[in-house]
Amino acid sequence: DQQVKQNSPSLSVQEGRISILNCDYTNSMFDYFLWYKKYPAEGPTFLISISSIKDKNEDGRFTVFLNKSAKHLSLHIVPSQPGDSAVYFCAASLRGTYKYIFGTGTRLKVLA
Amino acid sequence: EAGVTQSPTHLIKTRGQQATLRCSPISGHTSVYWYQQALGLGLQFLLWYDEGEERNRGNFPPRFSGRQFPNYSSELNVNALELEDSALYLCASSLGSPDRRLGDTQYFGPGTRLTVL
Repeated sequence: DQQVKQNSPSLSVQEGRISILNCDYTNSMFDYFLWYKKYPAEGPTFLISISSIKDKNEDGRFTVFLNKSAKHLSLHIVPSQPGDSAVYFCAASLRGTYKYIFGTGTRLKVLA
Repeated sequence: EAGVTQSPTHLIKTRGQQATLRCSPISGHTSVYWYQQALGLGLQFLLWYDEGEERNRGNFPPRFSGRQFPNYSSELNVNALELEDSALYLCASSLGSPDRRLGDTQYFGPGTRLTVL
């Protein structure tokens, strides 16, 4: 049972435009959500997080939105740059366990 | 500040052998997590160590085990290796308690690529 889902395996966006990556979850006990970026053969790099008491968090070009009623998380990257091309994973932390449940990833390609 | 380090970078073993992977957390972090990323799959949670104790484990057989040392570094041991154990093994660390109330972000190392022949 996949508790965290990224339904789009890939996304292509023109440089300078907005990239929107989506993530859905099923477990209402998740209380902390994160986005990681991953290049091949490297470990994931932490990008941005949001706790369940907020609905938006912004850090430079990256904004994460949380819609608890829809159990939906999204990452907005504005403006997109070619260096943003990578696989993006969303992750959710289960209250009390602190382990992360990861989605399957979305490969973002930013076209120059 | 040094990040999470893992060794070795690559490890090649044959079926039935044992593999030992090592992880050093970020200075000041007390929690260490292990994840497996098999080819074409997402990251699967393996183990969590905090203050030297195993706190949680994922849905993996007992031949996956590990430990955390007094300096908070950690080892992952995989016994009786099988072909499907070939994967990228990632270690992450976090501040651990009492900072969990703030949202305890995990920071990942570069991983160890294990190949089982």
